[in-house]
Amino acid sequence: ETGVTQTPRHLVMGMTNKKSLKCEQHLGHNAMYWYKQSAKKPLELMFVYNFKEQTENNSVPSRFSPECPNSSHLFLHLHTLQPEDSALYLCASSQEGTSGDTGELFFGEGSRLTVL
Amino acid sequence: AQTVTQSQPEMSVQEAETVTLSCTYDTSESDYYLFWYKQPPSRQMILVIRQEAYKQQNATENRFSVNFQKAAKSFSLKISDSQLGDAAMYFCAYWSGTGNQFYFGTGTSLTVIP
Repeated sequence: ETGVTQTPRHLVMGMTNKKSLKCEQHLGHNAMYWYKQSAKKPLELMFVYNFKEQTENNSVPSRFSPECPNSSHLFLHLHTLQPEDSALYLCASSQEGTSGDTGELFFGEGSRLTVL
Repeated sequence: AQTVTQSQPEMSVQEAETVTLSCTYDTSESDYYLFWYKQPPSRQMILVIRQEAYKQQNATENRFSVNFQKAAKSFSLKISDSQLGDAAMYFCAYWSGTGNQFYFGTGTSLTVIP
């Protein structure tokens, strides 16, 4: 296992379904992120967790619910999504607040979500 | 808020040739970091190169180099001796140096022609 892994890689769900995206990082980092990537738009930061505490929530609709049980795992719980929520969801991690803080984000391969 | 603009949605380059991807940004800060990330098709986004704003010298990583013009708020990426493996989406990003807020551009899709 290396870097940041995301599961599932692809997910198709109906608007009434409940599903979860999972992210795991094996880098010993203390910060984890969820980004939404849509075509022809900048990456949108959704949530940030530092040392398991949520530090950023960029006005994300409540149908997206993050969970960070420990510094290595991050979940994104999905329920009653809309078709416009279809996108690539990227997880990332970084090492914050130390002399090794280089600002580099380490990304997973993403979870491609399609909402029907 | 800071903004990052990539005005070239798509670019192409002949294999072994040189290509330059453009990026401009807007900020009122004097210290910050700029990045170029590469996202190959269906693969992880990875860091290509990083530039600290307080450094006047342009960053270089093998075939990748930047042209950092702080006054003009411009940060272009030059890829020399382009290879087929360079084909990817390239994202320019800004970080203030503290906190967790990174600002990304919309990306440039680079095609390498054999």
